[in-house]
Amino acid sequence: NAGVTQTPKFRVLKTGQSMTLLCAQDMNHEYMYWYRQDPGMGLRLIHYSVGEGTTAKGEVPDGYNVSRLKKQNFLLGLESAAPSQTSVYFCASSRQGFAYEQYFGPGTRLTVT
Amino acid sequence: GQQVMQIPQYQHVQEGEDFTTYCNSSTTLSNIQWYKQRPGGHPVFLIQLVKSGEVKKQKRLTFQFGEAKKNSSLHITATQTTDVGTYFCAANSGGYQKVTFGIGTKLQVIP
Repeated sequence: NAGVTQTPKFRVLKTGQSMTLLCAQDMNHEYMYWYRQDPGMGLRLIHYSVGEGTTAKGEVPDGYNVSRLKKQNFLLGLESAAPSQTSVYFCASSRQGFAYEQYFGPGTRLTVT
Repeated sequence: GQQVMQIPQYQHVQEGEDFTTYCNSSTTLSNIQWYKQRPGGHPVFLIQLVKSGEVKKQKRLTFQFGEAKKNSSLHITATQTTDVGTYFCAANSGGYQKVTFGIGTKLQVIP
């Protein structure tokens, strides 16, 4: 099992550009999450999904959109990137709800200039 | 909303010394999880505590959940250089409440 994978690993964007981060999991997990990690801020939940076809807002959703068309994939989109979105993005999944352990992907380091 | 405070934010210890990080919640928790993130890596689940007063051990790591289920601690005995990383608590208030991560404690071990 690959667990949770993320693509790309690194990306540099100019302000105003758009991009999509892809997360895939092969554990048949129901819940999937997108976090951002910034120095001194810990992990902050952007959006999450409780199952195929569902999405919900987390703590810091502004400027991001998500889609979960297939159970194994969770996409995070930035429509118009801003320097404030420079961060490390982690995708995670869990078997069922928030009370279950989360499995994290390796992360995507995004820089917006 | 739920707030989770984790202290200290940074800790430098000599190899062989003990280390403790604390996590405090403003609300009663259903459970608490602990994760470790190595430098340049991703968070990895360590353990989950559910019961009031629960104590669990993993080799040199001891995890405690407070009697009131509002605080938790992770204690490492005789640190080693392999313990270097950031330790996060993740607090869950139950039901469909989201998990809130603490800010993390970054541990440096000086050989």
